[in-house]
Amino acid sequence: AQSVAQPEDQVNVAEGNPLTVKCTYSVSGNPYLFWYVQYPNRGLQFLLKYITGDNLVKGSYGFEAEFNKSQTSFHLKKPSALVSDSALYFCAVRDSNRDDKIIFGKGTRLHILP
Amino acid sequence: EPEVTQTPSHQVTQMGQEVILRCVPISNHLYFYWYRQILGQKVEFLVSFYNNEISEKSEIFDDQFSVERPDGSNFTLKIRSTKLEDSAMYFCASRGDRGSYEQYFGPGTRLTVT
Repeated sequence: AQSVAQPEDQVNVAEGNPLTVKCTYSVSGNPYLFWYVQYPNRGLQFLLKYITGDNLVKGSYGFEAEFNKSQTSFHLKKPSALVSDSALYFCAVRDSNRDDKIIFGKGTRLHILP
Repeated sequence: EPEVTQTPSHQVTQMGQEVILRCVPISNHLYFYWYRQILGQKVEFLVSFYNNEISEKSEIFDDQFSVERPDGSNFTLKIRSTKLEDSAMYFCASRGDRGSYEQYFGPGTRLTVT
């Protein structure tokens, strides 16, 4: 069965420092991987995806993520955090050989300290 | 930029009543979805819809739930007889064509069943 793990409930980072939000996944086939961000009282906004090709993918707002097949990970990164990056981040996976549905992790709250 | 819209933003209903949640997907998208997020829990897949029929549904999506695309723009989720445990944020999402992978989410409808 497909699953996504986000091991950290909350990540605190000082403004200007690099940030990493961790994600590992499990699928039977090849993964399609996604990151979404949720601001208070808002929906889920798409940040970036990995489908195939380069392991480092770039997305919105300066975020990037690195696909590591051997570690089944897809960590979200940003070189220099902004206070406005504070939000709830969801990693998600879709099994390319199976269904259309996306399976979400439980979310990681990112708190950028001014 | 095109967006998925949802109405109402908040719906309060009594147990046993029927509710209809409405969504307007992005206009040229072909695949449509409903997800829900119970407070403090993961975002969960409910149903996917393509070519005027359900393509996949989760075990949550029982006989009390139905979806419909009554015209060329709206996509609705109906809960026939609401239960207390149906209280959640319901998200509609849409995806473009077979070659696109990311789903775009609406802002959600908060359903409160009393």
